[in-house]
Amino acid sequence: QVQLQESGPGLVKPSQTLSLTCTASGVSISDRGYYWSWVRQSAGKGLEWIGRIYNTGITSYNPSLRSRVSISVDTSKNLFSLNLRSVTAADTAVYYCARDRIALGFDYWGPGALVTVSS
Amino acid sequence: SYELTQPPSVSVSPGQTARITCSGDKLGDKDVCWYQQKPNQSPVLVMYQDNKRPSGIPERFSGSNSGNQATLTISGAQAADEADYYCQAWDITTYAFGTGTHVTVL
Repeated sequence: QVQLQESGPGLVKPSQTLSLTCTASGVSISDRGYYWSWVRQSAGKGLEWIGRIYNTGITSYNPSLRSRVSISVDTSKNLFSLNLRSVTAADTAVYYCARDRIALGFDYWGPGALVTVSS
Repeated sequence: SYELTQPPSVSVSPGQTARITCSGDKLGDKDVCWYQQKPNQSPVLVMYQDNKRPSGIPERFSGSNSGNQATLTISGAQAADEADYYCQAWDITTYAFGTGTHVTVL
């Protein structure tokens, strides 16, 4: 079955770069018809879409984060990655990766990774 | 940026019908998805393309979308339906999530 797993440091210092990886199993990142998205959720708050990538490397980003975010894909390792630069405490959140069926919804989600921004 | 507004909370008695609304400009022209999220769990897709249920989602969940409002309806609500619900839509080049609605079944 399809599984997604986020991984990366749980603690990042202010002004540094937050880096997370989402490794897929039971599905190929190269499969046609799917984007791969990142979503975050601050404690007690709602969901915020960060951005997405297609296996060809085509990306879309949330305009509010576009200046600081980049998403990349490594089809050989079946994973995609998130980099968020110049983080502040406001970037502390649970970060989820998800499979995006292009208007058909995010049908698979990772368990989430808590990232805390603190010195 | 595109905004989707939901009521913060909805209460329903067991066996009754809960309706969760999601409002946005010309939302009826877009495909709306709905997610259910229980405490300390990842969101689960419960509706896509306005009114289509993914495999495994109970028939008591239904959806509609017209004008500036989409609605997720839970008919015959059960205790297991108590959760946060988020709508989602794609606008031009970005996704928007709704503000979220906590559904209480009591």
